Amino acid sequence: GENVEQHPSTLSVQEGDSAVIKCTYSDSASNYFPWYKQELGKRPQLIIDIRSNVGEKKDQRIAVTLNKTAKHFSLHITETQPEDSAVYFCAAPINRDDKIIFGKGTRLHILP
Amino acid sequence: DTAVSQTPKYLVTQMGNDKSIKCEQNLGHDTMYWYKQDSKKFLKIMFSYNNKELIINETVPNRFSPKSPDKAHLNLHINSLELGDSAVYFCASSQEGQGAGSGNTIYFGEGSWLTVV
Repeated sequence: GENVEQHPSTLSVQEGDSAVIKCTYSDSASNYFPWYKQELGKRPQLIIDIRSNVGEKKDQRIAVTLNKTAKHFSLHITETQPEDSAVYFCAAPINRDDKIIFGKGTRLHILP
Repeated sequence: DTAVSQTPKYLVTQMGNDKSIKCEQNLGHDTMYWYKQDSKKFLKIMFSYNNKELIINETVPNRFSPKSPDKAHLNLHINSLELGDSAVYFCASSQEGQGAGSGNTIYFGEGSWLTVV
């Protein structure tokens, strides 16, 4: 069936370094790709999204890139800070089913 | 001024009991959802409603019954609770559904931590 694969499941980076999380999707009709951040004990919240008519979108230290041909998209966090520690979820729509599927999440640890 | 609010936040109950979780959104959205997040943090959709109409039912056991009295409310009732039902249940809403990559941001409630003992 349709799914969204997310890697890695856990990622530890030194504070100040960059972190990259990757996702692949299977529905070639997908055209919208959001990323959600969930801090410990809190709700998931949208941090950035991208539509298929662009290849990259940036918001301060966060950027998302999309390769529609390869059906994968990535979240890039630069100059990581302690408050970036959280679980990050990518997602992609399954258009014919009118739903969005989340990846399994990446637990990001920022090391002091 | 909470956008999506759900109650209770914590619920500890015995196997076999029946319990309900209530959800309300004040964003004026047409679509509401229930998601289940297990101990591994996987977020799985259970149900979605659009303007009180059931849109998605993700092969959830019949013991789970959602009810939407109006488009601002989506409650979840669970019968005969089992140990495997222990999880965090998130209510959420979006302006419209997720069809055709509509790009509607999903706003989550704070979650309801259900523990079945």
